[in-house]
Amino acid sequence: NAGVTQTPKFRILKIGQSMTLQCTQDMNHNYMYWYRQDPGMGLKLIYYSVGAGITDKGEVPNGYNVSRSTTEDFPLRLELAAPSQTYVYFCASSNHDREDGYTFGSGTRLTVV
Amino acid sequence: RKEVEQDPGPFNVPEGATVAFNCTYSNSASQSFFWYRQDCRKEPKLLMSVYSSGNEDGRFTAQLNRASQYISLLIRDSKLSDSATYLCVVNKGPPGGSYIPTFGRGTSLIVHP
Repeated sequence: NAGVTQTPKFRILKIGQSMTLQCTQDMNHNYMYWYRQDPGMGLKLIYYSVGAGITDKGEVPNGYNVSRSTTEDFPLRLELAAPSQTYVYFCASSNHDREDGYTFGSGTRLTVV
Repeated sequence: RKEVEQDPGPFNVPEGATVAFNCTYSNSASQSFFWYRQDCRKEPKLLMSVYSSGNEDGRFTAQLNRASQYISLLIRDSKLSDSATYLCVVNKGPPGGSYIPTFGRGTSLIVHP
């Protein structure tokens, strides 16, 4: 049971480039989330999804897009990368009852230069 | 008032000490509460859920006070390995039908010999 898998683990982008952060979970969780984290600043929600075909904006959606074509996958797309998007990005998932909390992937460390 | 507030610390305690963290939340309709642990450069991991009656897991005790809108985490007999950042997580619940978790910024704990 792999849980939540994120790829890549590290990436350096140049300003204006685009990339997709991959996230997949094998726990059949309905809910999936994308967070970004700045050291000491906590986790901020970018986008979330309550099921395949349904996505919604979180607290800081600007500059990002998501899709949820399957229950397992929830990729995050960065268009026109900027230095302000240098963060660690975490994907998480949870089941309908949320009794077991939220399971996180190991993160993608992104630097935009 | 922020949705979820924690004292950032750091709490610097000797091995064997008892330490307590508090976390306040602003939304009285919040329904689920958790404590997460995050080690440096790692993903957050579930430490324990917090139930209305309070709950204990070994050296860790979590309590919920709905009237005053705070949750607490007590760590007894601190170990060096307890050094980490502890994140408070509150699930807002409806309206909207979506249960979106909100994370506190975390409290840093340093246990020294």
